[in-house]
Amino acid sequence: QQQVKQSPQSLIVQKGGISIINCAYENTAFDYFPWYQQFPGKGPALLIAIRPDVSEKKEGRFTISFNKSAKQFSLHIMDSQPGDSATYFCAASPMDSNYQLIWGAGTKLIIKP
Amino acid sequence: DTEVTQTPKHLVMGMTNKKSLKCEQHMGHRAMYWYKQKAKKPPELMFVYSYEKLSINESVPSRFSPECPNSSLLNLHLHALQPEDSALYLCASSQEGLARFSEQFFGPGTRLTVL
Repeated sequence: QQQVKQSPQSLIVQKGGISIINCAYENTAFDYFPWYQQFPGKGPALLIAIRPDVSEKKEGRFTISFNKSAKQFSLHIMDSQPGDSATYFCAASPMDSNYQLIWGAGTKLIIKP
Repeated sequence: DTEVTQTPKHLVMGMTNKKSLKCEQHMGHRAMYWYKQKAKKPPELMFVYSYEKLSINESVPSRFSPECPNSSLLNLHLHALQPEDSALYLCASSQEGLARFSEQFFGPGTRLTVL
């Protein structure tokens, strides 16, 4: 069964701290793993994405860590800011589709000033 | 222009009404999508158009009818909806042919309420 499990459901972090959101999958037939950020009243926006041939990708304060053997990937937000408060979704794309994403349930992140 | 626009922003309709949602992009993308998103849930794929042809229909009820008049426009025609169809309807677009999976750009959505 194609599934992506995301945790935690909600997360509160102090300003300047590190926010960590985790995802795990069972199906090995995924080959693209994006993270989306969604603000209230807006559509999701791609934050950062990784393919399974690399173990880490960093863009500014955002880093994806990918553990292929454990079938896990995580998003780290360094120096978290109140403007990072949003809902974050991990996702995975099956190898046999150019369009479909299997989404995690989402994490509501609140950064306290 | 890296924007997907959607109209209207909000829509309230009765169960016997017929309405349409509109989506437009000018990024030259040849794949366009409709998603449905319930509160506190991830988006659910409904339809995918590739080069103006319906490529994926995720077993969506026939009361939802998509239309792709040209490469920049995508419509979703609504008829005889149920209250449980109330949700945020998101349009997205992506390039075709450049990579195995191309980034999907989402619009802001139409908040639909069915009374």
